[in-house]
Amino acid sequence: DTGVSQDPRHKITKRGQNVTFRCDPISEHNRLYWYRQTLGQGPEFLTYFQNEAQLEKSRLLSDRFSAERPKGSFSTLEIQRTEQGDSAMYLCASSPKVEGEQYFGPGTRLTVT
Amino acid sequence: QQQVKQSPQSLIVQKGGIPIINCAYENTAFDYFPWYQQFPGKGPALLIAIRPDVSEKKEGRFTISFNKSAKQFSLHIMDSQPGDSATYFCAANDTNFGNEKLTFGTGTRLTIIP
Repeated sequence: DTGVSQDPRHKITKRGQNVTFRCDPISEHNRLYWYRQTLGQGPEFLTYFQNEAQLEKSRLLSDRFSAERPKGSFSTLEIQRTEQGDSAMYLCASSPKVEGEQYFGPGTRLTVT
Repeated sequence: QQQVKQSPQSLIVQKGGIPIINCAYENTAFDYFPWYQQFPGKGPALLIAIRPDVSEKKEGRFTISFNKSAKQFSLHIMDSQPGDSATYFCAANDTNFGNEKLTFGTGTRLTIIP
């Protein structure tokens, strides 16, 4: 399968714990995006990378959130001191070029208890 | 501020009918308008996209109609099938100056009944 992959698919954690998600984009796609989707809503942009550079961050991305894309390949999204409001589907997408289509992975569903 | 408004919230159509989902946007700088299909527990899948230099685009059974002056665009699904039952999202972005983020509508839950 050559699509965007995300790991884990599901994560249940207790409030206050740290979690980390991984995204592997489609190979040769140099742009990688993170979105968050809550129930009944469309995805909301969090941040994006061009190669290893993080070029934009949404105001939704509080100080507890950090994303990296070392070497311009896979990316990780870490949430520190999770809160119940962080419960959502975290989606990763990749694109081959500016003005290009964004292809989404299956998402990581986070539940904070 | 919701920059892309989508309607209806839900839609039930009989098999073979033509569901129509509408979106309206506010930001005149938007110049790329994709539609995504999402099944429960899955990520959104790109269906079709349009740019404002054309008023219509067809790919298979899916058609986008675009009205630049009204700042509206819509998705039509021809010969709808039960397998088309999913949530559909419109989106938009301003690709100038390297602006990359997609702004999504709130989604339309489509049910095709046999």
